Amino acid sequence: GAGVSQSPRYKVAKRGQDVALRCDPISGHVSLFWYQQALGQGPEFLTYFQNEAQLDKSGLPSDRFFAERPEGSVSTLKIQRTQQEDSAVYLCASTPSGAGRTQYFGPGTRLLVL
Amino acid sequence: AQKVTQAQTEISVVEKEDVTLDCVYETRDTTYYLFWYKQPPSGELVFLIRRNSFDEQNEISGRYSWNFQKSTSSFNFTITASQVVDSAVYFCALSEADQAGTALIFGKGTTLSVSS
Repeated sequence: GAGVSQSPRYKVAKRGQDVALRCDPISGHVSLFWYQQALGQGPEFLTYFQNEAQLDKSGLPSDRFFAERPEGSVSTLKIQRTQQEDSAVYLCASTPSGAGRTQYFGPGTRLLVL
Repeated sequence: AQKVTQAQTEISVVEKEDVTLDCVYETRDTTYYLFWYKQPPSGELVFLIRRNSFDEQNEISGRYSWNFQKSTSSFNFTITASQVVDSAVYFCALSEADQAGTALIFGKGTTLSVSS
């Protein structure tokens, strides 16, 4: 079946612009995670959804970042007034419900803020 | 606090050599899961294996094998007879399994380069 998809794959933004990153999880997966991966580092948690409910947003680095999943399927990560330090790969992962389940990742969106 | 340490930043081997990637973790929980992911140049994280804390049996899948030792908090990954296609960044990750929605804690990754 289809895996997790993300769009766009690459995004170049000028500092101060707003960007929106999309994630289509695996069909039927209840849980959805967003991670940020800086160059040369491992992914770091941003936020978690169970269906449409955002249950954990403790990893969002500032109030310029917010995410939504209004119908419990597709999710959008929005970054307002982008800064150079926002440049990173943004990864989305989905998993069936339940603790300790394997997270399946999308290809990521590589964001470059100039 | 949970933490995953991959002390090897980069490893270079020649094809057909065996290579072991080290992973050491820290957690206070008795129930947890450990994972290995592969990240090729295309960028997607590819799931390789998941182990729970109650199952210390080593596992072999083709050329891949994993050695889980709770006594040393290690979960090492060995590739036997490495191939050029194994070149990638490999991440070890930890998830505490007490509730759904627990994020993965990743190590910084080990970059494996296999030359022909």
